[in-house]
Amino acid sequence: DVKVTQSSRYLVKRTGEKVFLECVQDMDHENMFWYRQDPGLGLRLIYFSYDVKMKEKGDIPEGYSVSREKKERFSLILESASTNQTSMYLCASSSTTRTGEAFFGQGTRLTVV
Amino acid sequence: LAKTTQPISMDSYEGQEVNITCSHNNIATNDYITWYQQFPSQGPRFIIQGYKTKVTNEVASLFIPADRKSSTLSLPRVSLSDTAVYYCLVGDMRDNYGQNFVFGPGTRLSVLP
Repeated sequence: DVKVTQSSRYLVKRTGEKVFLECVQDMDHENMFWYRQDPGLGLRLIYFSYDVKMKEKGDIPEGYSVSREKKERFSLILESASTNQTSMYLCASSSTTRTGEAFFGQGTRLTVV
Repeated sequence: LAKTTQPISMDSYEGQEVNITCSHNNIATNDYITWYQQFPSQGPRFIIQGYKTKVTNEVASLFIPADRKSSTLSLPRVSLSDTAVYYCLVGDMRDNYGQNFVFGPGTRLSVLP
């Protein structure tokens, strides 16, 4: 089975802190994604990456950055956490040969206080 | 991107067949249709994908009429554990980078005993 693992299930951080959310996949997928999910707003794409060191902005990249130094790992960085970044963060990966079939991690529920 | 419209919520009883319809009037020639399922506090899970006519797997069936302007996800004999949010996505088969993983609000299915 494909496994997408997010480093934390729950995280509490203070306003202004730099926050790292880590995601690792074990299926050698080319594509990786970061979403946030908020009640009533569904899933919104923050960033995606189609190769090592490559990244593309999604719909809501402001306040976030990403890093992909290795194929299996995709990190989401909150440069200076704010309370409006309190959310569920979901990482996903997919293969270029099975476009449309993404595998998601369990999610990280981040609370910024 | 083809916009999709689904019912916000549906109720069903255990053992019934559930059909969730998604409208995508502006679907393009190269677009395929994908359905995901999401349980509370988990990431979405791929269910089924199709381009035309009918696709069936061990979980569900997907019916797509000839004009492809809608699709119907069919869940046979639902159980309480099928209570979840179901998302319909429409995306370009040529898009290897998965830019079209755009999740709308989905359909919240509640299965009652």
